[in-house]
Amino acid sequence: DTGVSQDPRHKITKRGQNVTFRCDPISEHNRLYWYRQTLGQGPEFLTYFQNEAQLEKSRLLSDRFSAERPKGSFSTLEIQRTEQGDSAMYLCASSSTGPRDTQYFGPGTRLTVL
Amino acid sequence: GNSVTQMEGPVTLSEEAFLTINCTYTATGYPSLFWYVQYPGEGLQLLLKATKADDKGSNKGFEATYRKETTSFHLEKGSVQVSDSAVYFCALAPLLGSGAGSYQLTFGKGTKLSVIP
Repeated sequence: DTGVSQDPRHKITKRGQNVTFRCDPISEHNRLYWYRQTLGQGPEFLTYFQNEAQLEKSRLLSDRFSAERPKGSFSTLEIQRTEQGDSAMYLCASSSTGPRDTQYFGPGTRLTVL
Repeated sequence: GNSVTQMEGPVTLSEEAFLTINCTYTATGYPSLFWYVQYPGEGLQLLLKATKADDKGSNKGFEATYRKETTSFHLEKGSVQVSDSAVYFCALAPLLGSGAGSYQLTFGKGTKLSVIP
């Protein structure tokens, strides 16, 4: 069990550029979640996949955000036309399919938009 | 909707002091309750959890008891160490399939703990 991994760990970009983050969940986990954490706050839910199906999206996920999990394994989160307000830590978590299964988090990708 | 309220920090303690971080929640049904810990520059690590009333979660000397009557899940440790310095998050997750309508974790704002030698 290698845990949840995320890449890159840090990303600095200029306003208006597009960025893409990758998350590799724990291999046997079917569920994958994305959260956003701003400074001094708890993580906030963005979206959730079960296998390749995106089953839930938060209202925080504007039209500039898109997430995919094409083969039910790794996932990508893309932000188009980044804004300074997008600066945050983006966290990925995965879990099994039981009704009370724990979500395990990756190390996060810290995005800074200049 | 679901919500979690935890005591605001920062909390500064001397090594070997007793720690309590209060957490209360609002949720429908019977959520699972969690404490996660975040060290500087890192993601969240699960510290402990409880899935039903009166359950006690414990790990690394930390404990928390699921109190449905007071909707609380306070974190305690009898003797903190410098290495416990981190941000602690209380969180809840609905029982999947309960009709709560969401699989997401709801977090409190976090409590920063600093332990000084």
